[in-house]
Amino acid sequence: AQSVTQPDIHITVSEGASLELRCNYSYGATPYLFWYVQSPGQGLQLLLKYFSGDTLVQGIKGFEAEFKRSQSSFNLRKPSVHWSDAAEYFCAELTGGGNKLTFGTGTQLKVEL
Amino acid sequence: DGGITQSPKYLFRKEGQNVTLSCEQNLNHDAMYWYRQDPGQGLRLIYYSQIVNDFQKGDIAEGYSVSREKKESFPLTVTSAQKNPTAFYLCASSLYRGNTEAFFGQGTRLTVV
Repeated sequence: AQSVTQPDIHITVSEGASLELRCNYSYGATPYLFWYVQSPGQGLQLLLKYFSGDTLVQGIKGFEAEFKRSQSSFNLRKPSVHWSDAAEYFCAELTGGGNKLTFGTGTQLKVEL
Repeated sequence: DGGITQSPKYLFRKEGQNVTLSCEQNLNHDAMYWYRQDPGQGLRLIYYSQIVNDFQKGDIAEGYSVSREKKESFPLTVTSAQKNPTAFYLCASSLYRGNTEAFFGQGTRLTVV
């Protein structure tokens, strides 16, 4: 079955520390991958996407992600976390012949001041 | 401003009643989607539509119905057949099927009592 796995349900980091959120995909040989962020009670905002080309993708708010085909991974990183980054983060893959996004279960990020 | 509008933000209904959630977009997008979000389960696709007057079932369509009579509107009806309707519902759109970024509305929280 097509699936996106986010192994970490909750992560807590100190403000100013680096962050890495893990994501593993399983669908495509040439996957289309996304990271979204959701604040409580809100919709989702796209952070970045990977379709092809350079395996290191830059996004908004200082986030980046690296696509590693050998590991089927698309981990999200940020060098220095800000308190405002506290939110839930979702990894997603375009599946179903391009008809839908399959989401991971999300990682809740808490930032300690 | 262009975007997706979901209404209402909060909705309460008695068990056994049908309820319709509104989703309107002014982005001139062809494709629209409904997702359901439950804690710890990520987002699951209910229905999607690629063009007017056409829609397809997603992964959890049972107990739901949709219509797509206009390009900008994609209402979702939660019927009495849906066994556990209390959830957060998110509407999204994209320029066309499979295209890059999906834009999300702010969501509707439905509580059935």
